[in-house]
Parts: sequence; C-alpha cells; structure tokens
Amino acid sequence: AQSVSQHNHHVILSEAASLELGCNYSYGGTVNLFWYVQYPGQHLQLLLKYFSGDPLVKGIKGFEAEFIKSKFSFNLRKPSVQWSDTAEYFCAVNAGHTDKLIFGTGTRLQVFP
Amino acid sequence: GAVVSQHPSRVICKSGTSVKIECRSLDFQATTMFWYRQFPKQSLMLMATSNEGSKATYEQGVEKDKFLINHASLTLSTLTVTSAHPEDSSFYICSVMGGPGAIAGGTQYFGPGTRLTVL
Repeated sequence: AQSVSQHNHHVILSEAASLELGCNYSYGGTVNLFWYVQYPGQHLQLLLKYFSGDPLVKGIKGFEAEFIKSKFSFNLRKPSVQWSDTAEYFCAVNAGHTDKLIFGTGTRLQVFP
Repeated sequence: GAVVSQHPSRVICKSGTSVKIECRSLDFQATTMFWYRQFPKQSLMLMATSNEGSKATYEQGVEKDKFLINHASLTLSTLTVTSAHPEDSSFYICSVMGGPGAIAGGTQYFGPGTRLTVL
C-alpha cells in the first residue's frame, strides 16, 4: 500500500532561518505530489504541486520543493522563514492512476520572532 | 484555486441523532468530491470518494451505512452521520476536484471543515 512519511513532526525555528521539511513516499509508479499548509484555525491550502516536468517546483509564499525520483522524496524548502509561516504542513501523494490523496502525518512548524 | 464551502462550521448534537454536513464547490463544477476525517493533531484520513450521479466509494473500515454520502449535483455533496456517537466526534473536511478542463484539474481544494461534537 502507498504511504507517505514526514519524519519531522515538530520543527522550531527563528525568523530568517532556512527550512527543509522531509517527505518520502512509497510507490514505484508515476505519482503526483503536493504540499499543503494549514494555518491555525484555517483550512488546508495548496502550497505547490508536482505533476511532471522540472523537478524543482516553486510555490506560493517563497516555498519550493524538489522531486527526487531515485530517493522517493519531495522535500519542502524555504530559504528564510517568517513568523507568519507558523502552521502545519502536509505532504500528500497520489498514484498516477488514482485521484486519492494519501497524506503524511504532518509537520508542525513554529517560527519565533 | 477553487473555492469550497462547508456548512455548518460547527455542530453539537446528542448521541443517537443524525447530522448532515454540506460541501459546496462555489466556482466550478466538481465531478469528484472527497470526504476526510481529521483527528486532533493528526493527518487527514480519506473516508470516501464521491462522484456526481453515482454511489460513493468508501475506504476500508468506513461504514457506508453510518456515513451516508450524496453527490446530487456538480456543486454539492453531503455527508450525513447517522446515529452519531461520541466516538464520531471529529473534524470532517471535504475537498473538490474538477474533471478535465475544470479549474481544479487533478488538484484537490479543501473546504474549511466542520467540527462535529457528539454529546
């Protein structure tokens, strides 16, 4: 069965620090990859997605992610975080033949001024 | 992205009663909608896939007679929790995905969720 792993459960950073959140998935075929963010009290919002093409994907709010097929990874990065980036971040995957999304367990990011 | 609404945002009910939650796609026609459940500080678990005009497809372990899903139009899906019990208390979230050519394409856009508390 497909699964998604987010190894960082809770990350605490100071403003201006760089961020990298790990995401690994288990599925050998074609995948679509997503990062969603859930700000406190708000609904899930799409940060970025990868379907095909350039494996380095740029999203909203300065986030980017790199798809490394050989490592089954889709890590999220941001060079300089802000206090407003405090949120829960979810990696999600669907196999190319299905519309179902499998979510990782989420990473809680806290950014302190 | 697509705009999705859910109603109500919060509901408190007595054990044994039924609760209906609506999910609306406000700016495009959603051929497929999904229902998820999110426990506190946990990830989203897919409950069922709802396709307009056909029966929902439920994930393993989800009771279809307890969680009734109706996708009557391209803009509305409903989830009814029947004979609710305290263990059904949770955060229920819907998402929409359009068909080919729709704004959403192969991406899911999420509603704000409904917090259900069963006393």
